[in-house]
Amino acid sequence: EAQVTQNPRYLITVTGKKLTVTCSQNMNHEYMSWYRQDPGLGLRQIYYSMNVEVTDKGDVPEGYKVSRKEKRNFPLILESPSPNQTSLYFCASSLESSAGSYEQYFGPGTRLTVT
Amino acid sequence: AQKITQTQPGMFVQEKEAVTLDCTYDTSDQSYGLFWYKQPSSGEMIFLIYQGSYDEQNATEGRYSLNFQKARKSANLVISASQLGDSAMYFCAITGWTSYGKLTFGQGTILTVHP
Repeated sequence: EAQVTQNPRYLITVTGKKLTVTCSQNMNHEYMSWYRQDPGLGLRQIYYSMNVEVTDKGDVPEGYKVSRKEKRNFPLILESPSPNQTSLYFCASSLESSAGSYEQYFGPGTRLTVT
Repeated sequence: AQKITQTQPGMFVQEKEAVTLDCTYDTSDQSYGLFWYKQPSSGEMIFLIYQGSYDEQNATEGRYSLNFQKARKSANLVISASQLGDSAMYFCAITGWTSYGKLTFGQGTILTVHP
C-alpha cells in the first residue's frame, strides 16, 4: 500500500529535550516536505527536500532541522523544543516538485505538545 | 508568492443538498495548480481534487467538482448530494512553478452536514 508514515503519532515532551519525528514514504517520491498546522493559520511549510541531500527552508524553519540521506526518509529534528512548537505536524511527499498534477500524499500527522 | 483566502470559517448544509466552499487565490506564477483537501476530525489530510491553471475544463471527482474561474481567481469546491461523512475541515491550496513544490494553504472551512 502506497503511504507516508510518521512516528510518533503523539508526543508530549519538555522544553529543551531534543526530539526527532520520523517520516518515511514507500512510493519512491523525489519530493518531501514538512508542514505544521495551527488553528486559524492552516498548514505552513517548515522545510522541503527535492531529492537526496537537497533540502531548503520553507516559511517557518526556525527551531527545526531536517536531513535527507535516503530517498524514502525525511526526519524532522527539534534540537531544543519550545512551547511555541506545540502543533500538529504533517509530512508529505509527491513524485516531483513541479506545479503539475502531482498530488501530495500526507502522513497521518504527529501531535506534539511541548510543556 | 502565493496566497489563498477562504472566507467561510464555517458552513452548514442539509444532508443530500449541494454546498459550495469558496476559495480565492493570488499568485504571480503563470503556471500553477489548485488543490482541495479534506481533514476529518481524525486529523488526516485527504486529497480531493486538483485543477491545473491551463486546464480548460473544470475538474470533477465523483461528488466533488471544482468551479474554476481564472479571471476572478477563484477555485470553489462544490460537493453534490452531501453526506454526513462530509462533515470535516476543508482546505484549499495552491502551488506554482516558483514554489518548489510548496503548497500554500488557506485557513480552512469547517463543513457540518445536518441529517
